[in-house]
Amino acid sequence: DAGVTQSPTHLIKTRGQQVTLRCSPKSGHDTVSWYQQALGQGPQFIFQYYEEEERQRGNFPDRFSGHQFPNYSSELNVNALLLGDSALYLCASSLGGAGGHTIYFGEGSWLTVV
Amino acid sequence: QKEVEQDPGPLSVPEGAIVSLNCTYSNSAFQYFMWYRQYSRKGPELLMYTYSSGNKEDGRFTAQVDKSSKYISLFIRDSQPSDSATYLCATHPTGNQFYFGTGTSLTVIP
Repeated sequence: DAGVTQSPTHLIKTRGQQVTLRCSPKSGHDTVSWYQQALGQGPQFIFQYYEEEERQRGNFPDRFSGHQFPNYSSELNVNALLLGDSALYLCASSLGGAGGHTIYFGEGSWLTVV
Repeated sequence: QKEVEQDPGPLSVPEGAIVSLNCTYSNSAFQYFMWYRQYSRKGPELLMYTYSSGNKEDGRFTAQVDKSSKYISLFIRDSQPSDSATYLCATHPTGNQFYFGTGTSLTVIP
C-alpha cells in the first residue's frame, strides 16, 4: 500500500524565486492538505484540496497557491520566496466527502531560501 | 488563544519509565484527537486516534481525552530509546483544517 509521496525531498532557492512541490496521496485517498512546519513548531495548515477545488485555506498569503489533478495528486506553488518561507512542507492525505478524521503525512520537502 | 497548547519540553527519561505527554485545547467543538510521532527530519507518523472522551490503548501507548477540562494526554509505558522523538497532538472540528501543538521533544536514555 503506497503511502504519501512527496518530491523533491530537499531544495535550495534564492529569495524572490518560485518553487513547486509535488505530492501523491496514499492509495485510496482523494483529499490532499498542505502544511508548513517551521523549525521547532507544529505543522501549520496552508490549504486543502478536494475534487480539484480548494476547500479550505489557512492564514497564508496569495503567494501560496495549489492545484489538484484528476488522479488526486497535488502541487504547492510558492511565488516571490522570502527567507521566512524556509521550512518543511508537508503533504497530508485523507478520505474526503464529509472530511476524513485522520490525515497521513508524507516525509516532506525541505525548502531553504537563501 | 491558540487552538492547541503543548509543553515543548524537552523531556528526558530513563529507559523503562512511564512518560506522560499533555496538551490542552480551546474549542469544545473539537471531537477528534490525534497523536503523531515525528522523528528528526521526517514527516509526522500517526500514532493514536481517539474520538470524544475516554481512553484508547494500543500496546504500550494510551491516549486519554477529558473533554470537561479540554485536556488530552498520551502515556507511554516501558519507554524505549526508539521512542525518542517529537510528539505532536492534533485536533480538528470538521476534518478540513487540523490544529497541531508545537510538539514535545522526548529523549529516552538507555
